[in-house]
Amino acid sequence: QSALTQPASESGSPGQPITISCTGTSSDVGGYNYVSWYQQHPGKAPKLMIYDVSNRPSGVSNRFSGSKSGNTASLTISGLQAEDEADYYCSSYTSSNTVVFGGGTKLTVL
Amino acid sequence: QVQLQESGPGLVKPSETLSLTCAVSGYSISSGYYWGWIRQPPGKGLEWIGRIYHSGSTYYNPSLKSRVTISVDTSKKQFSLNLRSVTAADTAVYFCARERESAYALWGQGILVTVSS
Repeated sequence: QSALTQPASESGSPGQPITISCTGTSSDVGGYNYVSWYQQHPGKAPKLMIYDVSNRPSGVSNRFSGSKSGNTASLTISGLQAEDEADYYCSSYTSSNTVVFGGGTKLTVL
Repeated sequence: QVQLQESGPGLVKPSETLSLTCAVSGYSISSGYYWGWIRQPPGKGLEWIGRIYHSGSTYYNPSLKSRVTISVDTSKKQFSLNLRSVTAADTAVYFCARERESAYALWGQGILVTVSS
């Protein structure tokens, strides 16, 4: 299975919105509503931010939202804050009943 | 409070078997959920290794399938990872995690395993 495609890096200024894309195929992202997004700070375990494309776990800020169109999923952060600077990973269920991650996006808050 | 904790050797020799255990506290493995392993080479992204259900059903990353075995011991409240014939490319932080519908909401802290002679 091939990793989902994410931009290697994104950046934005505090208060601005930013969107990170995650592109797969009809066998993963496009075929199922089981896309998740994770935030990872250096030296820490990933933290689930979005599941089932657009659902937020309890305790996650409503500044984080998810969506999907075709084979591409997106994570949008509205009103960037300094603490949002981290690596972000998407993942998806696949037609082989496995899970595949994206390559990760390093988000910089300018 | 549910917690996961990885344990095992931090150094494994090339060609040998990497064996890790994930202890689950605060929740009974046999009550449900999938239990998975994910790894992250230094400075690189996450790679899904595989998952196991409490019944013992397993699913593996096709690229690792020939070398991986995940097992569960509900009586000991733990599940394990065995990765055979390791090379330097298997050097990574290994995480165990609890999965629901392909989403991992609960993670262990991770354990660094280095493959070196």
